[in-house]
Amino acid sequence: AQRVTQPEKLLSVFKGAPVELKCNYSYSGSPELFWYVQYSRQRLQLLLRHISRESIKGFTADLNKGETSFHLKKPFAQEEDSAMYYCALKSGNTPLVFGKGTRLSVIA
Amino acid sequence: DTAVSQTPKYLVTQMGNDKSIKCEQNLGHDTMYWYKQDSKKFLKIMFSYNNKELIINETVPNRFSPKSPDKAHLNLHINSLELGDSAVYFCASSQRGATEAFFGQGTRLTVV
Repeated sequence: AQRVTQPEKLLSVFKGAPVELKCNYSYSGSPELFWYVQYSRQRLQLLLRHISRESIKGFTADLNKGETSFHLKKPFAQEEDSAMYYCALKSGNTPLVFGKGTRLSVIA
Repeated sequence: DTAVSQTPKYLVTQMGNDKSIKCEQNLGHDTMYWYKQDSKKFLKIMFSYNNKELIINETVPNRFSPKSPDKAHLNLHINSLELGDSAVYFCASSQRGATEAFFGQGTRLTVV
């Protein structure tokens, strides 16, 4: 069964501090992993996906198949990064499976 | 132009009522979804639907039913609403074989 685990419900960091939002998954095949973000009162939107290997808004995430992890990182947090972050997994044509989300709060 | 739009944005209704939430996408996608986001912000798939197949999450009560008049619409009907149905419901769409899903702005349903 597909499962996505985000162990932290809430993560508070100071502005300028590094951020790491943890995500672990369980899936026997080769999944695609994503990070979605939901800013206050806005719709869920794609932040980045592992196949792109890109940096979006300063965030990066590397898929570690050995550890089955896809942690989201940013070296210097900004206040505008405060939001709910969801790690998600997709395989084939099945719908996205989301983790429970982590609320990131960046303190000025 | 909004890619995935839901109406209404807010819905307050009494227990026992029947209500519908509409969803439309103008992206030409062939697959649409309904997700439920509960009070703890947990997002859970309810249905996925394309013109050939409806996949229902087995935990969804049969009071919930998706209805698709055409490829661009997937409406959610809820019968005999209960207090526990209060949540934010998100519609989404994607193209079969593609990976990214696009979400609507959500409908906050409050059952009183």
